[in-house]
Amino acid sequence: AQSVTQLGSHVSVSEGALVLLRCNYSSSVPPYLFWYVQYPNQGLQLLLKYTSAATLVKGINGFEAEFKKSETSFHLTKPSAHMSDAAEYFCAVSDGGSASKIIFGSGTRLSIRP
Amino acid sequence: NAGVMQNPRHLVRRRGQEARLRCSPMKGHSHVYWYRQLPEEGLKFMVYLQKENIIDESGMPKERFSAEFPKEGPSILRIQQVVRGDSAAYFCASSPGPPGGANEKLFFGSGTQLSVL
Repeated sequence: AQSVTQLGSHVSVSEGALVLLRCNYSSSVPPYLFWYVQYPNQGLQLLLKYTSAATLVKGINGFEAEFKKSETSFHLTKPSAHMSDAAEYFCAVSDGGSASKIIFGSGTRLSIRP
Repeated sequence: NAGVMQNPRHLVRRRGQEARLRCSPMKGHSHVYWYRQLPEEGLKFMVYLQKENIIDESGMPKERFSAEFPKEGPSILRIQQVVRGDSAAYFCASSPGPPGGANEKLFFGSGTQLSVL
């Protein structure tokens, strides 16, 4: 069975500071990995995804994530936080099979301090 | 091109009543997923459907919950005899093709907030 664990349910950073949201996965097969963002009262939007191509994946809004097989990690980073980045972020995994489903982590709420 | 449409946006029911949540996928999408979001718990997979078929319902409670995606019309998530613990945000997502592959991506609706009094 696949799963993801997001470390830290709430992360707070200052505007302009580095954003680091942690995600570790468990999968018996090479995984597909995703980061989604949820703004208040909205559905989720895809930030970026890893599908076994380049290990460093660039997404929208300046975010990127690096797939590290040895650490089973897929942490999300952004060099400089903006106030508009305040949202909930979800890491997700699927096995890419024909009947697979995407399994989400419990989410990390990102707050930005002025 | 309209996105994934869910209605109602908010639904209030008393204990014992039925709740019907509707989801119209994006145009051209024939794969629908339902997720439930509880506070502080993230999204939990419920069911994956294709037109007229349930592909994976491993996340659905065994009783009171059912889902369908008919040939014509929206996908429906039905909860019979609701209880307070059913209060949550229910999100629908759609995709253009089957899961798997480099193009895998879910498009989410804005959700239905179910409140059971």
